[in-house]
Amino acid sequence: ILNVEQSPQSLHVQEGDSTNFTCSFPSSNFYALHWYRWETAKSPEALFVMTLNGDEKKKGRISATLNTKEGYSYLYIKGSQPEDSATYLCAFWVGSNYKLTFGKGTLLTVNP
Amino acid sequence: DADVTQTPRNRITKTGKRIMLECSQTKGHDRMYWYRQDPGLGLRLIYYSFDVKDINKGEISDGYSVSRQAQAKFSLSLESAIPNQTALYFCATSDFVVAGYNEQFFGPGTRLTVL
Repeated sequence: ILNVEQSPQSLHVQEGDSTNFTCSFPSSNFYALHWYRWETAKSPEALFVMTLNGDEKKKGRISATLNTKEGYSYLYIKGSQPEDSATYLCAFWVGSNYKLTFGKGTLLTVNP
Repeated sequence: DADVTQTPRNRITKTGKRIMLECSQTKGHDRMYWYRQDPGLGLRLIYYSFDVKDINKGEISDGYSVSRQAQAKFSLSLESAIPNQTALYFCATSDFVVAGYNEQFFGPGTRLTVL
């Protein structure tokens, strides 16, 4: 059984704060790490797919880093806005399993 | 129009009833997936299909069956619904090029309640 751990489980920040959260995954047989953003009453949408150790990706105020040797990825949000409020999911792909294993997510609430 | 659609969006049914959830996609993707979401748990994979003739069980397939009627359609059936199958169900698709490298595209979800 593959475990993908996300922390914290939930987070409340004020508008303008920068924040980050963690995804931990097994470091062996790494193939890809996905980040999704899931707003309430909507569908999860992909933010990043990361495949290489040391990868850093950025989309607007959101960025992510990847360390495959130690098995973690960080997601950063700079200057949080209320519209960033969502659950952020990470998912781990092991090539031999041909499927994604999702973490439970980090629920971010940004207060105006 | 949405690329991945699910019907119905909401359904209330009774224990023991058979129910089918349908998923259609216009993205032209070969790979399709069914997940369920329960509060406090991550998305869990029920079944996945790499093409019309290739269907595989996920981690929680007991009590479910699927049918891949065409590249664009993937249906999930609950043969005899039970209350602990009450959940939010998502269909997703992805391209085949290099499997794990491709993001998955999710439908809007079906909220199923089994009384």
